[in-house]
This record gives sequence, structure tokens and C-alpha cells, in this order.
Amino acid sequence: SQQGEEDPQALSIQEGENATMNCSYKTSINNLQWYRQNSGRGLVHLILIRSNEREKHSGRLRVTLDTSKKSSSLLITASRAADTASYFCATAVWGAQKLVFGQGTRLTINP
Amino acid sequence: DTAVSQTPKYLVTQMGNDKSIKCEQNLGHDTMYWYKQDSKKFLKIMFSYNNKELIINETVPNRFSPKSPDKAHLNLHINSLELGDSAVYFCASSQGQGHLQETQYFGPGTRLLVL
Repeated sequence: SQQGEEDPQALSIQEGENATMNCSYKTSINNLQWYRQNSGRGLVHLILIRSNEREKHSGRLRVTLDTSKKSSSLLITASRAADTASYFCATAVWGAQKLVFGQGTRLTINP
Repeated sequence: DTAVSQTPKYLVTQMGNDKSIKCEQNLGHDTMYWYKQDSKKFLKIMFSYNNKELIINETVPNRFSPKSPDKAHLNLHINSLELGDSAVYFCASSQGQGHLQETQYFGPGTRLLVL
């Protein structure tokens, strides 16, 4: 199985609701990053949280990191149709010199 | 003023052909990457270069050969294309030497279809 695994694989909610996506990983990390990919486009960096941080905010995004449980969550508040995309977590494993991506959560916001 | 650009955007070719994908970044970054995204959206790193030097070479067939003429460019040449090479290939770049796994900036992708 992969280093980063997102849950759920797909999520469909109504506009205005909050969306929560989770990511679990297996080995010690330097940092964990969340990216968004709109259909047919490249990935766009959303937020980076370091291993010594527990929570980070950016606009309507809130990311938490629990290194004891090796898990992270991404919360998007007051969702908008434009938030429809796939969301990936990427773990920066110590000494690996690379990011390891999960398979993503496909988020659909219904108007 | 695109940050990371790739050409071509689409590539349809026959099995057995040789093709190249070009990538350029104007962010002044030192490290560049190639990723492959399969039909299930799984994104896997193939190569990374720091200042024209190969840093990461994952278990990629040697039909794939990256070339970095300077730190702003990282091209990917693929020999003897196979059906399984069909995927979206992304170029990315980041500051620093890559060992701190900094934020990466992705290009728009090249959609390769091998017939």
C-alpha cells in the first residue's frame, strides 16, 4: 500500500457545506503537503504543515497533523462549486528526497 | 509568464516510436522533477534533477531518459514507446536541493496516448 492514502476516495456535498478529507501515512515525515488538481490540469500546492506543527490555516482551508496517529486532515469550509477537484496529500519522508503522493480524494461540490 | 511549462500538451503516437517531452521553469528553482500519473490518478515520481545533476531515478525502464541542459530545463525522452506508457506526465520544480522536500510547482501535464 502507498505511503499516503486519502480517505474517502470520493466525496460529494452541497455547496456551502464543509468538506473533510483524511490522509494516513506509514513512516516518519519531515512535512506533509496538500495539493489540488482540477480536471485536466496540473497540481497546485495548497498548504504545507511541518512535523512539529499540529494545525495550520489558509483562508477557508484548515489542515491538522497528528504524528502519533500518522494522519492528517484537510477541512474546506463553506465549500464552493469552484472547489470541485481532486485533493492529494503528499508526504515528505525523512531522507527520501522526494514527495510521495496518495491517490487523492475526488471532491464534487453540487450547486 | 507561465511558471512551469510543458510541450506538447497532447501526444498521440504509435507503439515503438520515440518521443520527447520538454519542460521549462522560470521560477529560478534548482530542482526539477518528472512524474507519471496513471489512469487511476496515482502520481508517481520518476526522476529528479538538482542543478542538472540526477538526484532520484526511481525504478523506471531505461527507455526513459531525462536530460537537463540547464537548471531551467528538464526534458524527457522515451524510446520504443509501449501501450503501458500511456499516461499524463507532469514536470515540477522546487527551490533548494530537494532534500527538504519543499513545495513543488507543477506544469499543466502532457497527455501521452500510445496506440
